[in-house]
Amino acid sequence: DAGVIQSPRHEVTEMGQEVTLRCKPISGHDYLFWYRQTMMRGLELLIYFNNNVPIDDSGMPEDRFSAKMPNASFSTLKIQPSEPRDSAVYFCASSTPDRAPEAFFGQGTRLTVV
Amino acid sequence: EDQVTQSPEALRLQEGESSSLNCSYTVSGLRGLFWYRQDPGKGPEFLFTLYSAGEEKEKERLKATLTKKESFLHITAPKPEDSATYLCAVQVMDSSYKLIFGSGTRLLVRP
Repeated sequence: DAGVIQSPRHEVTEMGQEVTLRCKPISGHDYLFWYRQTMMRGLELLIYFNNNVPIDDSGMPEDRFSAKMPNASFSTLKIQPSEPRDSAVYFCASSTPDRAPEAFFGQGTRLTVV
Repeated sequence: EDQVTQSPEALRLQEGESSSLNCSYTVSGLRGLFWYRQDPGKGPEFLFTLYSAGEEKEKERLKATLTKKESFLHITAPKPEDSATYLCAVQVMDSSYKLIFGSGTRLLVRP
């Protein structure tokens, strides 16, 4: 298996623009997690899905952030409008029911908002 | 408030010099404690899960232990390839799979 695949690996955008981050979980994994990592706040859970349904979105910072999982093999995290303070590395991770919340992480998307 | 604190922030060791990393936690109820390794530019890689005080897990040169207030990651005779950031996380006793991460310990092992 190729592991969790995220795209793009790097994104530079201007403040106010919409940003969409993409994730393909490992096939057969029912749980999908979106994390954000910054120097100041470390690694934080934003939202997680079980069987494509959002279960806990208490970590989503504000309404500018939204996440969807239209099917078992694809998820998006959207920021609209983006702000410089959203600059971070965003990770997607997936897991099986018997292993969650242990998870396999993707390589991450480094987002820079200028 | 649930909190995880890791120490030291950074650790430099000579190859073969054993040491321990600390993860102390304050939570309303611990469901599990997790250790991850993160290499620069990559996502965290799962190492261990510990569920109850007194539990120990081992993998190669690494051994994780758990008490009611903290966890230790012991590194025996480390090699340069053990250099990475080690992250500790806790899952609190509720129905959520949310993990609360510490800020990590950056380990550098010199040859």
